[in-house]
Amino acid sequence: GAGVSQTPSNKVTEKGKYVELRCDPISGHTALYWYRQSLGQGPEFLIYFQGTGAADDSGLPNDRFFAVRPEGSVSTLKIQRTERGDSAVYLCASSLQHRANTGELFFGEGSRLTVL
Amino acid sequence: GESVGLHLPTLSVQEGDNSIINCAYSNSASDYFIWYKQESGKGPQFIIDIRSNMDKRQGQRVTVLLNKTVKHLSLQIAATQPGDSAVYFCAHEGRGSNYKLTFGKGTLLTVNP
Repeated sequence: GAGVSQTPSNKVTEKGKYVELRCDPISGHTALYWYRQSLGQGPEFLIYFQGTGAADDSGLPNDRFFAVRPEGSVSTLKIQRTERGDSAVYLCASSLQHRANTGELFFGEGSRLTVL
Repeated sequence: GESVGLHLPTLSVQEGDNSIINCAYSNSASDYFIWYKQESGKGPQFIIDIRSNMDKRQGQRVTVLLNKTVKHLSLQIAATQPGDSAVYFCAHEGRGSNYKLTFGKGTLLTVNP
């Protein structure tokens, strides 16, 4: 497809388990972003990649969260020892340029994570 | 501190009416603001943006107004349609960042036929 693709769309896991969420950005987009959206809230920034490197991971809540983008395209958000408070929709976005203020930030439909 | 917030969490209008969604922001060096629309089960979708050197910008049926004096942003939707029903977020660039967006909480717009 032409848009940002995220899998799985829904993930239910048990407390303490490990999960991986995948993002496939729009082809050719060098910038990739992860945001987290809790129920009834706006998205919150987690991490930003420019190419293969994480240019800013200041939004990751703690060291249980980690993200990679080894080939500068697909990215995986990894959450270790999940907690109930990690339940949220994890949104991925990509852009052609590294500046959000181009207005060309395209979001995927998100991966809904539920931790029981 | 820096925040982006909304005055009204919900807004209900009749089909064909105009809608106005408001957003307040606090001290920030940001000069770029965006409105997003989010339908249920989908990611945010860009609607319109504005830079701080402008007071008004118009798109197709939408207008964004920026009042820098009172740090207020609004989205006007003309002739609201049922397909406009969604949650609307204002967002702006984070302080000192040209890639990090700070979102408000959102306003749920419901259009009654």
